Amino acid sequence: GEDVEQSLFLSVREGDSSVINCTYTDSSSTYLYWYKQEPGAGLQLLTYIFSNMDMKQDQRLTVLLNKKDKHLSLRIADTQTGDSAIYFCAEREPNNNDMRFGAGTRLTVKP
Amino acid sequence: NAGVTQTPKFQVLKTGQSMTLQCAQDMNHEYMSWYRQDPGMGLRLIHYSVGAGITDQGEVPNGYNVSRSTTEDFPLRLLSAAPSQTSVYFCASSSGTGVGYGYTFGSGTRLTVV
Repeated sequence: GEDVEQSLFLSVREGDSSVINCTYTDSSSTYLYWYKQEPGAGLQLLTYIFSNMDMKQDQRLTVLLNKKDKHLSLRIADTQTGDSAIYFCAEREPNNNDMRFGAGTRLTVKP
Repeated sequence: NAGVTQTPKFQVLKTGQSMTLQCAQDMNHEYMSWYRQDPGMGLRLIHYSVGAGITDQGEVPNGYNVSRSTTEDFPLRLLSAAPSQTSVYFCASSSGTGVGYGYTFGSGTRLTVV
C-alpha cells in the first residue's frame, strides 16, 4: 500500500500553470522527490527537496513544502504539451534506500 | 554511458512459464531494485539489493526471485508466471542515500501473461 498520496488526474490548458499535489507520511526529516514518466519510458528524476526546506525553484518548476500538513506540491509554470506525462511524488528517509512512491498524477496539457 | 538497461522491452508468456527479466547498470551503483507498475497503484517494490551478494524482499515478492552476483546485474526471475503478474516492470539503481541521490530507472519491461 501507499503512504504517499496523489490525485490521479490533472488537465490544464497550454500556457497555464499546473499544480500537482502530494501528501506524505513520514516524520521530521525526510527526502522528497518528483519524478516524470513519459509514455513508454521509465521514471526520470525532476527535482528533490529536503524536509527542512520550504521551497525550491528550478526554471519552470517550483516545489513547495508544508511540513505541518505534510503536503508537497509541484508547480509547472507555462505548461507545454511536452509536459504531458505522469508525475510521481516519492519520499525516503535519510540513510535509507527504500523510496516510497505515490500512485502518480497523469497531467494532460490541452492546446 | 547507458545508465540502466532492461531487456526485453515486451514479453508475452503463457501461464506457468518461467522467464528472467534482465537489468544491467554501468554506473557502479550499489543499490538496485525492481518495481512493478500497475494502473492506479503506482510503483510497488518487489526485491532490492544493497550490493553484490545481498538481496532482500520488498512489498510484493511472491512469485519472484532475484540474485546479485555482480554489481552491474540484477535479474528478476518469474518462477511460474500467472496472469496477476501482468504488469510493467522497472529496474532502478542508486549510488547513495543522501538527498540528492534519486533513482535512475530503466525504460521498463511490459509483461503480459495469458
